[in-house]
Amino acid sequence: QQQVKQSPQSLIVQKGGISIINCAYENTAFDYFPWYQQFPGKGPALLIAIRPDVSEKKEGRFTISFNKSAKQFSLHIMDSQPGDSATYFCAASRKAAGNKLTFGGGTRVLVKP
Amino acid sequence: GAGVSQSPSNKVTEKGKDVELRCDPISGHTALYWYRQRLGQGLEFLIYFQGNSAPDKSGLPSDRFSAERTGESVSTLTIQRTQQEDSAVYLCASTPGPTYEQYFGPGTRLTVT
Repeated sequence: QQQVKQSPQSLIVQKGGISIINCAYENTAFDYFPWYQQFPGKGPALLIAIRPDVSEKKEGRFTISFNKSAKQFSLHIMDSQPGDSATYFCAASRKAAGNKLTFGGGTRVLVKP
Repeated sequence: GAGVSQSPSNKVTEKGKDVELRCDPISGHTALYWYRQRLGQGLEFLIYFQGNSAPDKSGLPSDRFSAERTGESVSTLTIQRTQQEDSAVYLCASTPGPTYEQYFGPGTRLTVT
């Protein structure tokens, strides 16, 4: 019930292209869905987050699409840049449970110049 | 201001020994979380502290794992009788409260030989 499944495990995209990462969750009680970006040797940093009452959120080149009925959400990185090369994690949490994050397995993104 | 800090950054220990990992949260942050990240995998929740409330220990994998936090300051994660499967990066995060963005430290890489 607590699992979050993320795909693909890795992704190679050309500079300027679009990176798309997908996540699916099981627990319908989740009410917060963040995406984290992690560079080697660093802790994860929040990139963008969405709550289930909206279907899309955009911040700069990053967009979350959320499909509540399908229990899926995705991250789109537009105009991908070499500096976006990192590992991306989706996560989910419940406010009532202290917002403990349940993470997906991660997607390693490589943007080729 | 200063972010979340963790020490040591790297720890190599022999199987069977006890280890203690330290987390210094951002000043004023009342909530503190510990996560474990095995190589190439997502983060797993371990334990959560909120103010003076009893900690949520639901993610601790065995009774060899324990954690303490004094007030709203430093936290220590202790692993007794370490096993090779304990090898991972242990990450700490803090927030002003449970509904806010979690700020992660750089982690402690633990290697059990």
